[in-house]
Amino acid sequence: GAVVSQHPSRVICKSGTSVKIECRSLDFQATTMFWYRQFPKQSLMLMATSNEGSKATYEQGVEKDKFLINHASLTLSTLTVTSAHPEDSSFYICSAPTGVDQPQHFGDGTRLSIL
Amino acid sequence: GQSLEQPSEVTAVEGAIVQINCTYQTSGFYGLSWYQQHDGGAPTFLSYNALDGLEETGRFSSFLSRSDSYGYLLLQELQMKDSASYFCAVRNTGGFKTIFGAGTRLFVKA
Repeated sequence: GAVVSQHPSRVICKSGTSVKIECRSLDFQATTMFWYRQFPKQSLMLMATSNEGSKATYEQGVEKDKFLINHASLTLSTLTVTSAHPEDSSFYICSAPTGVDQPQHFGDGTRLSIL
Repeated sequence: GQSLEQPSEVTAVEGAIVQINCTYQTSGFYGLSWYQQHDGGAPTFLSYNALDGLEETGRFSSFLSRSDSYGYLLLQELQMKDSASYFCAVRNTGGFKTIFGAGTRLFVKA
């Protein structure tokens, strides 16, 4: 069964809207979660590392003020795309490792479409 | 820097065996993972190698050689449903983040 739950699965909204995406770890605690973005027919690009109780670590070229990350508990990380524009339309996926020496498990992803 | 290389496309027939190679360059190493992704879906974990050798999970096997910075995914008894993108990914010791290769598109023909 799924170990990481992501919601919503799809969002369609107008330009200028802020969109929040939730990522939850099921049956385990995740002090670290990861947020990826994937454009059609491309690989997954790491956006940021979400750290419980501290600031997220963003990859080079990712705007911190554009993509707000909050990791308020050991089972929940949220990504908020602020003032979204059509170029932000993409597939956003979160993941979490179940242990120190364990691979990532992914949520089902959120397909964001900005009109 | 970090990079992973894998073939962009592979085509095989139903029932055949296919091997997808992956070479990597990373600062620190915590394991090589393989993921499958069908169009429109999220990546699904297939296999993970932290140590050298072969890991077998049903029709899928994965191999790792840390001295060669090389691994492969072996798919046996190919089925049409195996048509998908396959990503190798490396987890490094700096923050434990996982970096993905560009992906290999597998086409299985009847």
